[in-house]
Amino acid sequence: GQNIDQPTEMTATEGAIVQINCTYQTSGFNGLFWYQQHAGEAPTFLSYNVLDGLEEKGRFSSFLSRSKGYSYLLLKELQMKDSASYLCAVRDLSNSNSGYALNFGKGTSLLVTP
Amino acid sequence: DADVTQTPRNRITKTGKRIMLECSQTKGHDRMYWYRQDPGLGLRLIYYSFDVKDINKGEISDGYSVSRQAQAKFSLSLESAIPNQTALYFCATSDLETRADEQFFGPGTRLTVL
Repeated sequence: GQNIDQPTEMTATEGAIVQINCTYQTSGFNGLFWYQQHAGEAPTFLSYNVLDGLEEKGRFSSFLSRSKGYSYLLLKELQMKDSASYLCAVRDLSNSNSGYALNFGKGTSLLVTP
Repeated sequence: DADVTQTPRNRITKTGKRIMLECSQTKGHDRMYWYRQDPGLGLRLIYYSFDVKDINKGEISDGYSVSRQAQAKFSLSLESAIPNQTALYFCATSDLETRADEQFFGPGTRLTVL
């Protein structure tokens, strides 16, 4: 994911709210995805944005601004089990090496403390 | 039962050996993918297949080959393993018919090449 940037690490307190940012550069944007990955486990799908705005799903929300090449994942009422890596991924139809597959950022490791 | 399975889950091999990693899915998805994950580098696409007759190279296909034996099976081979192929390998599937065409990941294969 050389064109996808997100912070490497973040720390937040149980019960708080945390926002994980992601910026990207594409010429064939066709959707932005957020995945959660616990250590040693498979990534699991959290959210999808293809149009500008906010998508809300329970404690998790994801926002997209296509003109700014920017997204964020918002986690509310943090729980200890939310400690994981959060992966931002973009579908870029102009990328000849991935076609309809996803380009992943390096992930943000979130630590939730008591 | 898991929808996407990978075998083996762990493998230790020696430089120069031929290795095959297998992926099976019961989701009925046409699209399948192979990624590798390395610390600090995120998920990188190796190969993808949009149906049984369609195979495409991803970002880092050198040193790898694949076989799509059936809609449900997609195998990754390392013809002559080398130490820098030590990584966590994930298979994923997706279904174009869904709104997001999000990818569902298998549990991963941890490969160590000595």
